[in-house]
Amino acid sequence: QLQLQESGSGLVKPSQTLSLTCAVSGGSITSGGYSWSWIRQPPGKGLEWIGYIYHGGNTYYSPSLKNRVTISVDRSKNRFSLNLSSVTAADTAVYYCASASRAAVAATDAFDIWGQGTVVTVSS
Amino acid sequence: EIVLTQSPATLFLSPGERATLSCRASQSVSSYLAWYQQKPGQAPRLLIYGASNRATGVPARFSGSGSGTDFTFIISSLEPEDFAVYYCQQRSNWPPALTFGGGTKVEIK
Repeated sequence: QLQLQESGSGLVKPSQTLSLTCAVSGGSITSGGYSWSWIRQPPGKGLEWIGYIYHGGNTYYSPSLKNRVTISVDRSKNRFSLNLSSVTAADTAVYYCASASRAAVAATDAFDIWGQGTVVTVSS
Repeated sequence: EIVLTQSPATLFLSPGERATLSCRASQSVSSYLAWYQQKPGQAPRLLIYGASNRATGVPARFSGSGSGTDFTFIISSLEPEDFAVYYCQQRSNWPPALTFGGGTKVEIK
């Protein structure tokens, strides 16, 4: 059973870089055909897709964030990471990592596996 | 960027009633449309993918339909645990980019 767990700094100062990691268990991050995503949710608001990386290493980012986002995979540690630079208070949110457990779901870019989420606050 | 508009924003219903939620895309997304349920303090839960396919373990009272720009999500008979916020999500073809709708909150009347 694929499981995801986010970790990283819960408090980031304005203008600095937010860094989060998502540990993958119960499966391999190198599984073909699957993407590994980051999604966030500001307090009291809706969901926002940040971007994802495919097993082959191709990355795709939200147009509104692409100048500040980097998503990467560490195959040796079976995890993937998010870096978001030049953060402001608007980047305060719960950050989720997400993926798919089977090919039929992955093919539609839906996510049936989610981490529990980690709260990141941007404040000095 | 494709925009998803969900309506209504809030739906007040009683247990046992039928809930009908709408999601409209600003341009065609084919059948790349998913529906999620989110309860307070929890991660979203996938209910429907590919516009009409129920995810594993999702009860049959949840259904989705539509293609192109207009999609409908139905809960045939509301159970107490179904009162939550529901989001639709699409994937555009190229370059791949995902967006979520603003959500519909199903509240107890």
